[in-house]
Amino acid sequence: GIQVEQSPPDLILQEGANSTLRCNFSDSVNNLQWFHQNPWGQLINLFYIPSGTKQNGRLSATTVATERYSLLYISSSQTTDSGVYFCAGINTGTASKLTFGTGTRLQVTL
Amino acid sequence: GAVVSQHPSWVICKSGTSVKIECRSLDFQATTMFWYRQFPKQSLMLMATSNEGSKATYEQGVEKDKFLINHASLTLSTLTVTSAHPEDSSFYICSASPLMGGSANEQFFGPGTRLTVL
Repeated sequence: GIQVEQSPPDLILQEGANSTLRCNFSDSVNNLQWFHQNPWGQLINLFYIPSGTKQNGRLSATTVATERYSLLYISSSQTTDSGVYFCAGINTGTASKLTFGTGTRLQVTL
Repeated sequence: GAVVSQHPSWVICKSGTSVKIECRSLDFQATTMFWYRQFPKQSLMLMATSNEGSKATYEQGVEKDKFLINHASLTLSTLTVTSAHPEDSSFYICSASPLMGGSANEQFFGPGTRLTVL
């Protein structure tokens, strides 16, 4: 079946620390995206990353499509990074429908 | 670019009434918009796919008569929760996929609408 799994489910960091979030996805999922849902519920697009590596400021992401996983790196974390991080992929053959992972809830403390 | 708005951002209504939520793509056209539902501390669940000028496609288990979707233009889709009941209380989020430009199948999300049914 279609599976998108994320780990860890919860993460508490001290400000300034680095972290790696993981997303495993099944064979029927591609065109991976990473989102940050802020405490007010807004989903913010972080990366559209079917394969390879991208960087944007303190964030970077790598997807190894052949091994069915993607990693999101957060460096020098700030309190504003708190929220839930979701990965999501397109179900192949379903005309762009996204399947979301269960999310990683991140809390960055002072 | 790629901004999606939703209105209202929150709504409280009495049981039995209907509530309409609007989703607009502000700076791009979208033939396809999506409606999601999110319960507290859970992930997003796709409810339906909305295509401009045609009937929406609903996910299994979503009542099409309860959740009416209209996609009248390339920038506007509406979700109407009919005869709302307390169990319909949730956070509803829409997304839109640009017709042109950007990455294939990339979706951009609205800020969500929090519905509370008393």
